[in-house]
Amino acid sequence: GDSVTQMEGPVTLSEEAFLTINCTYTATGYPSLFWYVQYPGEGLQLLLKATKADDKGSNKGFEATYRKETTSFHLEKGSVQVSDSAVYFCALTTGANSKLTFGKGITLSVRP
Amino acid sequence: DAGVTQSPTHLIKTRGQQVTLRCSPISGHKSVSWYQQVLGQGPQFIFQYYEKEERGRGNFPDRFSARQFPNYSSELNVNALLLGDSALYLCASSWTGGSNYGYTFGSGTRLTVV
Repeated sequence: GDSVTQMEGPVTLSEEAFLTINCTYTATGYPSLFWYVQYPGEGLQLLLKATKADDKGSNKGFEATYRKETTSFHLEKGSVQVSDSAVYFCALTTGANSKLTFGKGITLSVRP
Repeated sequence: DAGVTQSPTHLIKTRGQQVTLRCSPISGHKSVSWYQQVLGQGPQFIFQYYEKEERGRGNFPDRFSARQFPNYSSELNVNALLLGDSALYLCASSWTGGSNYGYTFGSGTRLTVV
């Protein structure tokens, strides 16, 4: 079945540091890939998405590239802010079965 | 425009009781999905409804049921509550049932079973 593996956390960074959060996946067919963010006490917000190989999703300074050859969708940001502190989830869906399959999530804390 | 709205935001139930959670999708969205998020884990798929028909069911016991109404709102019912049902229940809506463009999530209902 489909699965998403995220790097173990939590991650603590200083403000303006570079961020990479790793995500790899296993899926039948050609999945669409997503990053969702969850701020404390809130639901999930779509951060970015990519629907086919080599697509780059971007939003709010975050980027992720759909790498079919390595089945990866790593999230990056060049300079994190305190306001980026949240839980980040990598997820996928395939067209035939459109449920979202999530990774376990990783908590990011950014220190001033 | 209103986003996905869920009610109630919090509730506490006793083991063995029944609970009904409600979700109103974004206007124009015809698909509603339900997810269970246990503390410290990623959300797990429970159900998807599209145009009032069940399109998918996750690996949850028959105590969990759902339905979608003509106005596309949805209810999730859980019978015979167990302590392990304590979780954040998330509703997500999308325009179509097979969406490659992401879902919009509500803020969730925090269910505590004591």
